[in-house]
Amino acid sequence: QVQLVQSGAEVKKPGASVKVSCKASGYTFTNYGISWVRQTPGQGLEWMGWIRIYNGNTNYAQKFQGRVTMTTDTSTSTAYLELRSLRSDDTAVYYCARDRDSGSYGDYDYWGQGTLVIVSS
Amino acid sequence: DIQMTQSPSSLSASVGDRVTITCRTSQNINNFLNWYQQKPGKAPKLLIYVASSLQSGVPLRFSGSGSGTDFTLTISSLQPEDFATYYCQQSYSTPYSFGQGTKLEI
Repeated sequence: QVQLVQSGAEVKKPGASVKVSCKASGYTFTNYGISWVRQTPGQGLEWMGWIRIYNGNTNYAQKFQGRVTMTTDTSTSTAYLELRSLRSDDTAVYYCARDRDSGSYGDYDYWGQGTLVIVSS
Repeated sequence: DIQMTQSPSSLSASVGDRVTITCRTSQNINNFLNWYQQKPGKAPKLLIYVASSLQSGVPLRFSGSGSGTDFTLTISSLQPEDFATYYCQQSYSTPYSFGQGTKLEI
């Protein structure tokens, strides 16, 4: 069965970086895109960007441009989200999510369990 | 960026009720509208994609309709497990924005 398993919670200081992993199993990793969505109490669900596994193409939300990098390791079927220059308002649960279909973009049928990132001095 | 407006933000209902949640977008998105259900501490779950297609495994009491800028999610007969928060999301253009959510309560 399809699973996306994310890395554990992180506590970071302002200005630091965080890298969250999302290990996929149960399907051909390169056939589907992965997106990252975060959830904060104040802002709700917020789309951060996607990565097309087969060619590594990325599309980041303008809000995160310059601070975010999405990558993959196809040898381990793992996607990564790195967010730099962390601020307190980056405190959120970060989710990876898989495109529903190899030809669909933006609708997500499988999600990771979420990774809580706390940014605090 | 496309703005999403969901209404109501919260809704009280009873088991067996018919419930409708609406979502309005700031520009025409054709039918690129999805609905998710989220329970506390869990990831969102896809219910409806491209406005009216039922995701595999989702009960038939869930349905979606609409196109352009106005969309609805209907639950025909509420079950106890349906009490959750519901989000609409547009997948017409990036950034793929979400509505603010509708909390469905008993």
